[in-house]
Amino acid sequence: QLMVTQSPSASASLGASVRLTCTLDSGHSTYAIAWHQQQPEKGPRFLMRLNSDGSHTKGDGIPDRFSGSSSGAERYLIISSLQSDDEADYYCQTWGTGMVFGGGTKLTVL
Amino acid sequence: EVRLVESGGALVQPGGSLRLSCAASGFVFSDYSMVWARQAPGRGLEWLSYISGTGGTTYYADSVKGRFTSSRDNAKKFLYLQMTSLRAEDTAVYYCGREAQFDHWGQGTLVTVSS
Repeated sequence: QLMVTQSPSASASLGASVRLTCTLDSGHSTYAIAWHQQQPEKGPRFLMRLNSDGSHTKGDGIPDRFSGSSSGAERYLIISSLQSDDEADYYCQTWGTGMVFGGGTKLTVL
Repeated sequence: EVRLVESGGALVQPGGSLRLSCAASGFVFSDYSMVWARQAPGRGLEWLSYISGTGGTTYYADSVKGRFTSSRDNAKKFLYLQMTSLRAEDTAVYYCGREAQFDHWGQGTLVTVSS
């Protein structure tokens, strides 16, 4: 069954970098994923599509501070030079004959 | 500029029906598959349905299969979600999105199922 798993929370200091992880189930370890950001009280925003080889395509207006990489079944979202408005929920998502979201990671910027 | 605007959310009684609409602009609508997702209060995102560009292929989450139907009017550039047999647990903000990867999102429309 198509699944993606995320840690429920993460934290990092203002100006630092953070790496969030999304893990695909073993049967779908080569699948691409998408990362989405949801700031408090707002709708989701597409950040990027991330392929198994680490190549990624970002959404409109997404700053260079956001990047992605891949290793095996793991897909990473890297945010550098953290700002206060990066504090948000981050969801990964994948698709096949159906789509699935991870449970989301709540990022706290200290 | 790609724009997706949902409408049709309302307060509805359990067992009732509702149709949501999603108006698309800024891209060739018929070239793209479209998707629906929802977010219950305080919860994460849940994918609901997928419809291909022609409308000929659809997929649904198990939680809504048989109750919700996605359709589209490519001439009018509208996506629809027909919801029947609504339950309290269907209370959520409903979002439409473009493509299986949700590369663009609407702002959402609130559906409340309550007596």
